Parts: sequence; C-alpha cells; structure tokens
Amino acid sequence: GQQVMQIPQYQHVQEGEDFTTYCNSSTTLSNIQWYKQRPGGHPVFLIQLVKSGEVKKQKRLTFQFGEAKKNSSLHITATQTTDVGTYFCAGREAGTALIFGKGTTLSVSS
Amino acid sequence: DTGVSQNPRHKITKRGQNVTFRCDPISEHNRLYWYRQTLGQGPEFLTYFQNEAQLEKSRLLSDRFSAERPKGSFSTLEIQRTEQGDSAMYLCASSKDSLTEAFFGQGTRLTVV
Repeated sequence: GQQVMQIPQYQHVQEGEDFTTYCNSSTTLSNIQWYKQRPGGHPVFLIQLVKSGEVKKQKRLTFQFGEAKKNSSLHITATQTTDVGTYFCAGREAGTALIFGKGTTLSVSS
Repeated sequence: DTGVSQNPRHKITKRGQNVTFRCDPISEHNRLYWYRQTLGQGPEFLTYFQNEAQLEKSRLLSDRFSAERPKGSFSTLEIQRTEQGDSAMYLCASSKDSLTEAFFGQGTRLTVV
C-alpha cells in the first residue's frame, strides 16, 4: 500500500537558520498537502501542490513537488520561534485516501 | 462555529468496554476522514467516507473498529472491546471533495485503563 516517509524526524535550529523537511512517497501522487501541528493542537492545512515540478511560496516557506510527483520538500528561510511545531506531508493517489507521513518536529531556540 | 466538531473531547474507559465517538464535519463537505494519532507519530489513516459511502478502510484496522455516516453528514466511530493499545487521539477531518484540503477537528483523546 501507499507509504509516505519524511526526514528528518526531528530538527533543532537556532533562530534565523534555515530548515528543510523532505517527503517521499512509495507511489506516484495526484497531489500532496502540507500541514502544521502545534504542540497540543490538531493539524492545520498549509498548502497543496498538484503539478509536477510545482513550487509555491508562502512568505518564508517554500514548497516543492518533484518532477515524478513522488517527493516534496518544505523549506523555511530564517526560522522564527513561531515556526515551532511538527510539519506533516500528506499524499494522495488518484481516488484514494490522504496518507500522512510521520512528520518532522522543528524546535527553534532564540 | 462552522469548523469540524468532535465529541467527546476526552474519554476514559475500562478495557473491554465499547466506546463511540462522534464527528460533525463542516457543512456540505462530502469527504470525511478518521485518523488515529499517538504521541510522536503522524495521523494514521483509519477510514473515509464520500457522502454516506465508506470508500476505504485501512487494512491494519481491527474488526473491532466500525464507522458510519448514515445520512452523509455526521459520522460515528465505534470501538468494541477496547484494549490498552487503542489509547490514542482520534481525529476527524472533512474536505469539500477529493482535491481540496482537509480541515481537522480537535480530536477525541481516548484512554483505556
């Protein structure tokens, strides 16, 4: 069955440093979504990527979808303490359920 | 509040008891998902509905778990003969269709003692 893997599992950075998390799927995806979950909270949608090679930006966050639509990345430039949380990618094959990766937990020290 | 609503927020039950959780999705959202999340893990897919039809159920899901969405609106998740390993946060999410983002509820935290 479909599997979605994320690395690293944990990442600690100093405030101002950059951060990247990577997502890989065992199958080709129709789309991929990214979510953020703060400690004690529930996952909150960040963005969806649909097209092969697509790149989207949200302020300091840059999201990429691989050419083969099997991998994706989230890059945060100049992290801030408000970026703390766990970032999940979630992939969907055509007509199937949304499958989440295990997430990357980001901690930021000031 | 027009978000996804889950009840109860917390449930403590004795091993062997049955429990039922309810999820009210965002109005007019056709898709409804159930996930289970334990500490340090991502949401684990359990099952999902397109309107009232249950389209997919995780192969890892025990027969003790059953879900319904009788009128295509709210959904219930029942766990029979609970075990300690069932302790987790049970998350419900809904989306307008298969192409749009999912909105999550606050979850129901189950503790089996």
